[in-house]
Amino acid sequence: GAVVSQHPSRVICKSGTSVKIECRSLDFQATTMFWYRQFPKQSLMLMATSNEGSKATYEQGVEKDKFLINHASLTLSTLTVTSAHPEDSSFYICSARGPGDQGYTFGSGTRLTVV
Amino acid sequence: SQQGEEDPQALSIQEGENATMNCSYKTSINNLQWYRQNSGRGLVHLILIRSNEREKHSGRLRVTLDTSKKSSSLLITASRAADTASYFCVTRGNEKLTFGTGTRLTIIP
Repeated sequence: GAVVSQHPSRVICKSGTSVKIECRSLDFQATTMFWYRQFPKQSLMLMATSNEGSKATYEQGVEKDKFLINHASLTLSTLTVTSAHPEDSSFYICSARGPGDQGYTFGSGTRLTVV
Repeated sequence: SQQGEEDPQALSIQEGENATMNCSYKTSINNLQWYRQNSGRGLVHLILIRSNEREKHSGRLRVTLDTSKKSSSLLITASRAADTASYFCVTRGNEKLTFGTGTRLTIIP
């Protein structure tokens, strides 16, 4: 089945630094990937839609300059949290639509802790 | 908000019993999907039901869909300890997915 690899699974960074999270479709091409944020015991909230070769589409209230998304190839999308603050600490998950009608495949998530 | 509501928010049952979770959504959909999330992990796709389907089975899972009521249910039969997780209904109106609030299911051995 379709596999999406997300890396790293956990990261701790200092306030003010930037962190890059990678999302790769391993055995299929994904022209569109999605980035979600999840707070403890809550649902997933869509942050942005990443489109290969073009600018990402951000949801209302999501800061474009803070959460930089790059989708440079058909198998890789990256989310960079810039100038991280403790309130950016969260669980970030990417997903891609699988080939055919397999639904959406999710990465295993990245736990970001900003100290 | 486009987010759906799930009921109950939390459910604890004995191993072997059946678990039923309900989901209501707000907009027209192409299909509805159920996903499982183990604590602090990614999501696993369980089952997809199209808008023109009313019921679907997959192993111990049974999903129903009532588009007139904008609701769906997920039944897990003969529950196992490994079923302990959060379950989300997810609707897709266009390319975007909208997640329900989730049900945290705990199976008591």
